[in-house]
Parts: sequence; structure tokens; C-alpha cells
Amino acid sequence: ETGVTQTPRHLVMGMTNKKSLKCEQHLGHNAMYWYKQSAKKPLELMFVYSLEERVENNSVPSRFSPECPNSSHLFLHLHTLQPEDSALYLCASSQDLGSIFTEAFFGQGTRLTVV
Amino acid sequence: QQPVQSPQAVILREGEDAVINCSSSKALYSVHWYRQKHGEAPVFLMILLKGGEQKGHDKISASFNEKKQQSSLYLTASQLSYSGTYFCGTDSGAGSYQLTFGKGTKLSVIP
Repeated sequence: ETGVTQTPRHLVMGMTNKKSLKCEQHLGHNAMYWYKQSAKKPLELMFVYSLEERVENNSVPSRFSPECPNSSHLFLHLHTLQPEDSALYLCASSQDLGSIFTEAFFGQGTRLTVV
Repeated sequence: QQPVQSPQAVILREGEDAVINCSSSKALYSVHWYRQKHGEAPVFLMILLKGGEQKGHDKISASFNEKKQQSSLYLTASQLSYSGTYFCGTDSGAGSYQLTFGKGTKLSVIP
């Protein structure tokens, strides 16, 4: 248990569906992140939030829409996804931005399959 | 640009040692190491900052050679619990919060 909880753990959705991934942390951290992990590819940073403000959007397609209503919760809203979006989506949090001193705590991820 | 990890995979018997390398074509400010077991979250191991430092805990240690733009992770007297995929993440600037991860090295420790 790392203190970062993601739900659901597994999700299968059709290309026309709309679904949301949820991430929750009770570590008192100020920064939260969404990563995509595909088979045989490195972890890709998608979005970064600091104190509920989005500070980074790494050229992610608009079919992925993040939301951070408060510092403990992070959502990733999904709509009209493509099969190549199938991957493990990992949420992480850290005390603050500034990677040099800050370890990230990861959730166990949501395994997403788009059919 | 992502760092390059080598080897891609390694199989060890319990008690053997291993070295995992992480190389970058860009100047590095820090290197982060994580381990991910199958079906689990990546877990932080250590951060090394430029200045050529070394770190370690238990039988896992790492070094950072900024001239070579490379970091190495050393696992000594490996245990079954060391099995997993090891990732290095690098950043190239002070104040950067964006890590670029390598593809990972899969380590399997067998009895």
C-alpha cells in the first residue's frame, strides 16, 4: 500500500464510451501526475497538477481530459478512445513539484482495454 | 529524449550480483530509480544528484557519473524479492519536474 489508490483496477470500454479513472491520495501531497505505461515502452508523463492547477500537458490528445477538484483527488476522463490507448494508467503524487528532491508515490494503476 | 537502460533483461540465481546501467545523451541533473513488480505500483528506490554521488541501502546501491551522463544500479547478493522491472528516470535541469523514463530492465532472480 503506497498511499495512492486508483479505481477501477481494470476497465474495458468501447470506442464510443465515456468513462473516468479516479485517483486518491491521503499523503498530504501537493503534486499529482498521470502516466501512461504501454507494453515495451517507457513510462510517459501525461499531466501534472500542482495545488490543483494543471502545470503540464504533454501533447496528450483531447480525448483524455484530466480534472483535479482538490489536492487529494485526480480524475482522468476518457471519451472516444482508440484501441492504441489500451495501456496501464498510473497515478502518482509527490510532496511538491521539483523532481530533484521528491520521490513519487505511485498507485497500482488502472489496466484499460479499448475494444 | 529517453535514457537508455541496459541490459533489457537479466536472470540471476539467488546470491549473485547484477549491474543495471542508465545512459543519457543529454547532461543530467538527477537520476531516479524505481522498481516495479508485476501487477504492482512502481516503488521509489533512490534519487542521485549531479556531483557524482553514490547512495545505497541494504544491498542495493547506485552511482551517478555526470561526465559520462550515466548512472548504475548495483544489486549485490540478490534475493528473490529483488525480481521486478527497474526503471531509471532522468531530468536535465534544476527545478524540472518532468522525469523521462527508460524502458526498464527486467530482473528475474531464481532459487
